[in-house]
Amino acid sequence: EVQLLESGGDLAQPGGSLRLSCAASGFTFSRYVMAWVRQAPGKGLEWVSAISGGGGSTSYADSVKGRFTISRDNSKNTLYLEMNSLRADDTGVYYCANAAGAVLFEYYFDYWGQGTVVTVSS
Amino acid sequence: SSELTQPPSVSVSPGHTATITCSGDILPNKYVYWYQQKSGQAPVMVIYEDTKRPSGIPERFSGSSSGTMATLTLSGAQVEDEGDYYCYSTDSSGHHGVFGGGTKVTVL
Repeated sequence: EVQLLESGGDLAQPGGSLRLSCAASGFTFSRYVMAWVRQAPGKGLEWVSAISGGGGSTSYADSVKGRFTISRDNSKNTLYLEMNSLRADDTGVYYCANAAGAVLFEYYFDYWGQGTVVTVSS
Repeated sequence: SSELTQPPSVSVSPGHTATITCSGDILPNKYVYWYQQKSGQAPVMVIYEDTKRPSGIPERFSGSSSGTMATLTLSGAQVEDEGDYYCYSTDSSGHHGVFGGGTKVTVL
């Protein structure tokens, strides 16, 4: 059974930093693209970032490029999102999701975690 | 433009048919995926590759796509189908994900 368990969500101040983690199990982690998708309170889904199975290719939404860094540790079956220079509009639920295939090209999401809440406020 | 446009809301009576559209210039030659999100829950895929239904998804969910428009059809809507529905694809580069704005489906 595929399981994705996010952690690390917290209250952070504007300009601050957080590191999100997503522990994966039930599938061969290194063979899948992994991604972060967020949802602001009362708003729709927003794709944030994705990383190839081997970790060599990454992509970011314009809204987070230069501030967020996605990475993975395939030996620990864990996905990360390092979030810096946080802004109020980064507030929301952050989901990790796995995508069919290892190549960062035309991917979609098979399974989602339950999300972790990030609140950016002073 | 890498945008997908959906109607904000759709209402349908139980047992009747609801259609949700998703339009965007990126859609030709791209697969569309549909996700259902119920209140307080993570999204669940209901249609993949335009028309295919994952195992466990009821047959009343169907999808189609032509040109710049994709459609999710809910035939014989049930109360438990209420929720938000999002279309998804990737941009022209294939590297960036794109979600539609979401459609709230009300069954009453």
